[in-house]
Amino acid sequence: NAGVTQTPKFQVLKTGQSMTLQCAQDMNHEYMSWYRQDPGMGLRLIHYSVGAGITDQGEVPNGYNVSRSTTEDFPLRLLSAAPSQTSVYFCASSSDRGQGGYTFGSGTRLTVV
Amino acid sequence: GENVEQHPSTLSVQEGDSAVIKCTYSDSASNYFPWYKQELGKRPQLIIDIRSNVGEKKDQRIAVTLNKTAKHFSLHITETQPEDSAVYFCAAYTSGTYKYIFGTGTRLKVLA
Repeated sequence: NAGVTQTPKFQVLKTGQSMTLQCAQDMNHEYMSWYRQDPGMGLRLIHYSVGAGITDQGEVPNGYNVSRSTTEDFPLRLLSAAPSQTSVYFCASSSDRGQGGYTFGSGTRLTVV
Repeated sequence: GENVEQHPSTLSVQEGDSAVIKCTYSDSASNYFPWYKQELGKRPQLIIDIRSNVGEKKDQRIAVTLNKTAKHFSLHITETQPEDSAVYFCAAYTSGTYKYIFGTGTRLKVLA
């Protein structure tokens, strides 16, 4: 089992560019989510999904889109990158619709210049 | 909206002493409370969790307590060791909304 795989590990974008952060899990978890981690602010929920075809907004969804066409994949799209989106992004998945505890990916460090 | 407050933000203890980190949640419907440890430059990892129908849970040197009436839960680490140094996050999950909200983290330093 690879667990939760995130790509890329590092990315530098120019303001206004778009990109997709990839996330895949091989544990057959229904529940997947995206967080951003900024110093002193903990982990803030961007979007989450309780199963294929179902997504919902978290605390800080503006500027991000997600889709969930399969159980395994949950990509995060930045529509028009802004410096305020410089952060470390974590994808996570859980069994039992969230009550199985998260398995996190290794993170993507994104810098927007 | 829902939030989770976590205190203290930093905590220094001598090796062998105990450490306690406290969290307060706002959504009375929250029913699952995990704790995560994040070492520098690494991903968070689940260390212990508790469900709303349980008051206390232990796993070797770590324990979690839950007070549903006060909407408080706490992480207790006994006999601390230098390898316990990390950032610890609490979280609250509500099964009705599927939302999983984290506290802002506690940086624990265990001094040898």
